[in-house]
Amino acid sequence: GAVVSQHPSRVICKSGTSVKIECRSLDFQATTMFWYRQFPKQSLMLMATSNEGSKATYEQGVEKDKFLINHASLTLSTLTVTSAHPEDSSFYICSAFERLSTQYFGPGTRLTVL
Amino acid sequence: RKEVEQDPGPFNVPEGATVAFNCTYSNSASQSFFWYRQDCRKEPKLLMSVYSSGNEDGRFTAQLNRASQYISLLIRDSKLSDSATYLCVVNIVGNQFYFGTGTSLTVIP
Repeated sequence: GAVVSQHPSRVICKSGTSVKIECRSLDFQATTMFWYRQFPKQSLMLMATSNEGSKATYEQGVEKDKFLINHASLTLSTLTVTSAHPEDSSFYICSAFERLSTQYFGPGTRLTVL
Repeated sequence: RKEVEQDPGPFNVPEGATVAFNCTYSNSASQSFFWYRQDCRKEPKLLMSVYSSGNEDGRFTAQLNRASQYISLLIRDSKLSDSATYLCVVNIVGNQFYFGTGTSLTVIP
């Protein structure tokens, strides 16, 4: 299957700082990338859909000013958690959509905000 | 009504057993169907696509019933390594996907 990388895999930061997570499709071009969040023992929750060259579409209840998404190229999307707080601690997973196929997920980023 | 519904389980089965999961979807215009597997604290990984004629990959068989709007996954001769959460995913059109909440499987020695 297609390969998607995500960096960093784990980050611990102080409350109030911003954290940037990168998602890259390594062997295909992804016009669409998705950002998910998953709390322990819960289901994946879609946060936003990111289309290359346009503004991301956020799911209801997800603050676009807090979770900044940039999809500047067909192989890279970034999620910045601004002014992170302990309640933002979670497992953030990106996926890249390979056209005429399906989504392929990155390995995820475990964020802990102290 | 949710777009995709799955029985969350948990399913606890002995090694060697056959287990089946079903998933129903509400949008009759759904185009593509997939099963993903997610291990604890890991990302989901594509297990298999589901084709109208049904398809098999080793011990795994996926089937689609468009008339009744459900897909199924059958695992034969369960292994301990099959323990995971299985996610049903439906693609409506283009980049519009809906995920089930997942079915938890534990294979017991």
